[in-house]
Amino acid sequence: GESVGLHLPTLSVQEGDNSIINCAYSNSASDYFIWYKQESGKGPQFIIDIRSNMDKRQGQRVTVLLNKTVKHLSLQIAATQPGDSAVYFCAETGNAGNMLTFGGGTRLMVKP
Amino acid sequence: KAGVTQTPRYLIKTRGQQVTLSCSPISGHRSVSWYQQTPGQGLQFLFEYFSETQRNKGNFPGRFSGRQFSNSRSEMNVSTLELGDSALYLCASSLSGQGAGYTFGSGTRLTVV
Repeated sequence: GESVGLHLPTLSVQEGDNSIINCAYSNSASDYFIWYKQESGKGPQFIIDIRSNMDKRQGQRVTVLLNKTVKHLSLQIAATQPGDSAVYFCAETGNAGNMLTFGGGTRLMVKP
Repeated sequence: KAGVTQTPRYLIKTRGQQVTLSCSPISGHRSVSWYQQTPGQGLQFLFEYFSETQRNKGNFPGRFSGRQFSNSRSEMNVSTLELGDSALYLCASSLSGQGAGYTFGSGTRLTVV
């Protein structure tokens, strides 16, 4: 497959454990945040999003937490599975809603 | 429904040449954005088109250009290719381009030799 990033921070977890992936953003004007998952050879795939008027949002096995005070975003994956292995990116829309600014990405490796 | 389709999937070009990449958005989506992904710089915004108009442009040289057709299909062009243009070029479409609902294609892998 294609390499998304050669020097990405890596999180290695045991199958069944919970995973927490963190992201810091810099634009205090950002009002919409998205987490994407990217598998080898594919484009980013939407996981979950959150608007700035919320601090928590839950999906199926995933939760996003937003702390606007310290400009921090996290993605929690419950009961991590081998199929969760991928690179995860946070993204934000800043002053212009029609562009995304991406974080550097975190590689999640799930050990069976 | 069909997703975002990018062609070609892989491309090898020589320095100095030009290249055109194509993106067909999801039916009904009027906004198309382009991103460059490299190991060193990550994902970077190139430009966004809505109803054939470029609404926003990232910090890339003028060698990078794009356009959108009346059927919302989009093309991007890179002229006078440099080795550093080697990257995965991703297209994303959405209904309005305002904050939500971006769907990405699988990208075009461009290698410049």
